[in-house]
Amino acid sequence: AQSVTQLDSHVSVSEGTPVLLRCNYSSSYSPSLFWYVQHPNKGLQLLLKYTSAATLVKGINGFEAEFKKSETSFHLTKPSAHMSDAAEYFCVVSRGYSGTYKYIFGTGTRLKVLA
Amino acid sequence: EPEVTQTPSHQVTQMGQEVILRCVPISNHLYFYWYRQILGQKVEFLVSFYNNEISEKSEIFDDQFSVERPDGSNFTLKIRSTKLEDSAMYFCASSPGMNQPQHFGDGTRLSIL
Repeated sequence: AQSVTQLDSHVSVSEGTPVLLRCNYSSSYSPSLFWYVQHPNKGLQLLLKYTSAATLVKGINGFEAEFKKSETSFHLTKPSAHMSDAAEYFCVVSRGYSGTYKYIFGTGTRLKVLA
Repeated sequence: EPEVTQTPSHQVTQMGQEVILRCVPISNHLYFYWYRQILGQKVEFLVSFYNNEISEKSEIFDDQFSVERPDGSNFTLKIRSTKLEDSAMYFCASSPGMNQPQHFGDGTRLSIL
């Protein structure tokens, strides 16, 4: 069965310092992995996706993630946090069945950015 | 940029009543989904829909739930007889193709009294 584990429920960083949000996945075959962000009272916005083309994936707003098969990880990073990055972040793996792909979500990491 | 729209943003309903949550997916998308997030819990898959039929549904999606694409633009989730435990945020999503990224609406917060 496929699953994702987000290792931290809350992360606090100072503005201008690096961000690391950790995600480990479990999959019996090559997974499709995504990071989504949810700002308060808003929907889920796609940050980036991994679909086996390149292990380092660049997304929007300066975020990137590296797929490491040996570590079954897909951690999200950003070199310098902005106040506007404060939100909840979800690591997602998609699982195909009968021609559609449902998402399996991690529990989320709430990022707090301190001034 | 086109987006998925959901109405209403907040729905309050008495237990046992029927409720319909509405979604307008992005116009050229072919795959449609409903997810829910109970407060403090994970986002959970409910159902996927393609070619006017359900492709997959979770164990949560029992006989009380149904989905419909009545007119080629709307995609609705109906809960026939609501229970207290149906209180959650419900998200609609659509994607243009199989295993393409899903685009989400802002959600409908359903509160059952």
